[in-house]
Amino acid sequence: EVQLVESGGGLVKPGGSLRLSCAASGFTFSSYSMNWVRQAPGKGLEWVSSISSSSSYIYYADSVKGRFTISRDNAKNSLYLQMNSLRAEDTAVYYCARSQSSTSCLSYWGQGTLVTVSS
Amino acid sequence: AIRMTQSPSSFSASTGDRVTITCRASQGISSYLAWYQQKPGKAPKLLIYAASTLQSGVPSRFSGSGSGTDFTLTISCLQSEDFATYYCQQYYSYPRTFGQGTKLEIK
Repeated sequence: EVQLVESGGGLVKPGGSLRLSCAASGFTFSSYSMNWVRQAPGKGLEWVSSISSSSSYIYYADSVKGRFTISRDNAKNSLYLQMNSLRAEDTAVYYCARSQSSTSCLSYWGQGTLVTVSS
Repeated sequence: AIRMTQSPSSFSASTGDRVTITCRASQGISSYLAWYQQKPGKAPKLLIYAASTLQSGVPSRFSGSGSGTDFTLTISCLQSEDFATYYCQQYYSYPRTFGQGTKLEIK
């Protein structure tokens, strides 16, 4: 069974940093691209970042470019999101999601971790 | 960035109804479109990919169609568990973009 478990969320002050982790199990992690998607309270889904299976290709939303860094450790079956210079508008539930093998759509999602940026 | 526009943003329907949600892309995306269902407090769930291919385990009352810029999600006979918010998403290019969502409520 595919499982994605996010951790690392919490309350942080504006300008602060946070590192999210996503522990993957139930599939060959090193074979799949991975993604972060966020959802602000009461709002819709916003794609944040994607990373290819070998980390060769990395993409970011303009809203986080230069502040967030996606990475992965295939030996540890883990995905990360380093978030710096956090702003109030980064407050959201952050989901880890696995890309489908034959397409780039998001076939499996974690339950999310809440990041709150507030003074 | 490709803008995805869903309509309607919300609407009410009854169990047994046939409902259709529309998604329009600001430029052609071939069939690189997915539909997701999200229930309150839960993660989204993939329903349809490649515009019309049903994800494994998804009931056959869900169907998708379209290509290019115009797409539809149809639920042929609404069940109580289908009341949720639905999102379309293009994966034709980066940045990936979602529609604003369509909230389906019980009439």
